[in-house]
Amino acid sequence: QQQVKQSPQSLIVQKGGIPIINCAYENTAFDYFPWYQQFPGKGPALLIAIRPDVSEKKEGRFTISFNKSAKQFSLHIMDSQPGDSATYFCAASTGGTSYGKLTFGQGTILTVHP
Amino acid sequence: EAQVTQNPRYLITVTGKKLTVTCSQNMNHEYMSWYRQDPGLGLRQIYYSMNVEVTDKGDVPEGYKVSRKEKRNFPLILESPSPNQTSLYFCASSRGQETQYFGPGTRLLVL
Repeated sequence: QQQVKQSPQSLIVQKGGIPIINCAYENTAFDYFPWYQQFPGKGPALLIAIRPDVSEKKEGRFTISFNKSAKQFSLHIMDSQPGDSATYFCAASTGGTSYGKLTFGQGTILTVHP
Repeated sequence: EAQVTQNPRYLITVTGKKLTVTCSQNMNHEYMSWYRQDPGLGLRQIYYSMNVEVTDKGDVPEGYKVSRKEKRNFPLILESPSPNQTSLYFCASSRGQETQYFGPGTRLLVL
């Protein structure tokens, strides 16, 4: 059972475009929603994260939008660059004694053409 | 340099031959975890540990064992590997619920 569903599987944009990656979750106990970026041959690295008490968080060119009632969140990359080409994963976790259990989406392969 | 290290980075083995993938972190993190990454399935958690001698199953624990005898180390053990365990494995560590730091990955092929 995939508790976090991510779409699309792959995405191609031109430089300067605004790719949007969407995730939907089922477990209402999730209270931490990070996005990870992975380059080929490397481990994932945290990009940006949000908690459900805010609807949007921006860090540089990366923005998370969060819709608690719809149980959805998305990543927007403003003014995308070829260097942003990577695989992006959304994830979710709960707090308390289960904070170590992180559930990932299936991943989105982003290609930004020059 | 703060890091998570894994060894080996690449491993080819045969069905049934026990193997161990080591993971070590130098950040004094309480939490450590193992994931496997497969195309189209993303990252799936195998086991995680919240501190020494405290471990719990993730989403895909079957066929794997772990132990946490020291805070810095969290080895992954495949007692009888099978071809369906061919995958890319990542170890990660964190302090609490926040940023997880991932190792460089171990690519395993089971023949």
